[in-house]
Amino acid sequence: QKEVEQDPGPLSVPEGAIVSLNCTYSNSAFQYFMWYRQYSRKGPELLMYTYSSGNKEDGRFTAQVDKSSKYISLFIRDSQPSDSATYLCAMPRGSTLGRLYFGRGTQLTVWP
Amino acid sequence: EAGVTQFPSHSVIEKGQTVTLRCDPISGHDNLYWYRRVMGKEIKFLLHFVKESKQDESGMPNNRFLAERTGGTYSTLKVQPAELEDSGVYFCASRSQGSGTDTQYFGPGTRLTVL
Repeated sequence: QKEVEQDPGPLSVPEGAIVSLNCTYSNSAFQYFMWYRQYSRKGPELLMYTYSSGNKEDGRFTAQVDKSSKYISLFIRDSQPSDSATYLCAMPRGSTLGRLYFGRGTQLTVWP
Repeated sequence: EAGVTQFPSHSVIEKGQTVTLRCDPISGHDNLYWYRRVMGKEIKFLLHFVKESKQDESGMPNNRFLAERTGGTYSTLKVQPAELEDSGVYFCASRSQGSGTDTQYFGPGTRLTVL
């Protein structure tokens, strides 16, 4: 069983739509949950991260963690064409100094 | 402040040849990580340096891969001899040794193709 599962998509939505991206994980030791965004031919860049359960909002982005279900989500409101990218969930086992376990990434296209 | 840089951006080699990838972390970052993404799969951890010491090399696939970080600055990842299955994108990331809320900053990756 993989540590982190993520549907690779692709996901295609019109501009202005609400986007929901999700990951599940298997290891209860995960405490930090990260979302990276990766544009084509670029490296992943950190978008948001949360610690433990709950919601965190940053502008049009909301990260949600449900540790009881081992399920994390990223919501994008009022999606824009510039949001078109691959979104990767990632989590370290234990300290944030350690290795990251990534999902496969979901490829998102927002069309005007 | 410059980000993580990697060289080369692309490399095409033949099976059996040797390739060396280089990563320059963000200045002052003690932690340096190598990851790899094989087509269609998730990004997978290879190893983690703290300064010049290997903290965790459990992700290295086999002894054809050799990573070094002399002097605790830049790092190299050598593949010798390269095999077809080594093709993929190799990412380097760096992180400060600071607070637990810091994160890993990734370079743009080196795209390796083994023919």
